[in-house]
Amino acid sequence: AQRVTQPEKLLSVFKGAPVELKCNYSYSGSPELFWYVQYSRQRLQLLLRHISRESIKGFTADLNKGETSFHLKKPFAQEEDSAMYYCALLQRGFQKLVFGTGTRLLVSP
Amino acid sequence: DGGITQSPKYLFRKEGQNVTLSCEQNLNHDAMYWYRQDPGQGLRLIYYSQIVNDFQKGDIAEGYSVSREKKESFPLTVTSAQKNPTAFYLCASSNGLAAMGEQFFGPGTRLTVL
Repeated sequence: AQRVTQPEKLLSVFKGAPVELKCNYSYSGSPELFWYVQYSRQRLQLLLRHISRESIKGFTADLNKGETSFHLKKPFAQEEDSAMYYCALLQRGFQKLVFGTGTRLLVSP
Repeated sequence: DGGITQSPKYLFRKEGQNVTLSCEQNLNHDAMYWYRQDPGQGLRLIYYSQIVNDFQKGDIAEGYSVSREKKESFPLTVTSAQKNPTAFYLCASSNGLAAMGEQFFGPGTRLTVL
């Protein structure tokens, strides 16, 4: 089955600490993965996609096919990073996204 | 903050009543989606539509129905057959097959069934 797993419901760190939000996937084809973010009282929005290999708001995510992972990382967390983060896998054959259960990141001062 | 609008923001209904949630987009996107968001369960896909007059069931379609008569509109009806309808509902759209991984979301509707 094609699945996205985010093992942590809550990740709490202090400002300035490194952050790693874990995402593992199972997919038989060539995966296309995304990170979405939902800040408090804002809409869910795309943060980054693996195919772009970009850094957005200091976040990066590298696709590791050997470990079937797509962890989201930031070297120094900021309070404004506090949000709900969802990892998503594109099922291109079915033309739909499969989302993980999400991880709430809380950055304390 | 246009793009995708959902109305109403909050909706209360009595058990046994059908209710329709509105979703409109002015992004000229072909594809539209309905998700249900529950604490600890992430987003689960209810229905999606890649083109006008066509739609497919998602992972949790039972008790729901949709229509796609216009490109810009994709209303969701929560029927009395849905066993646990109280939830936060999100609508999204994407621009064609090449960009289906990049979805744009509405603000959501919180449905409470009393």
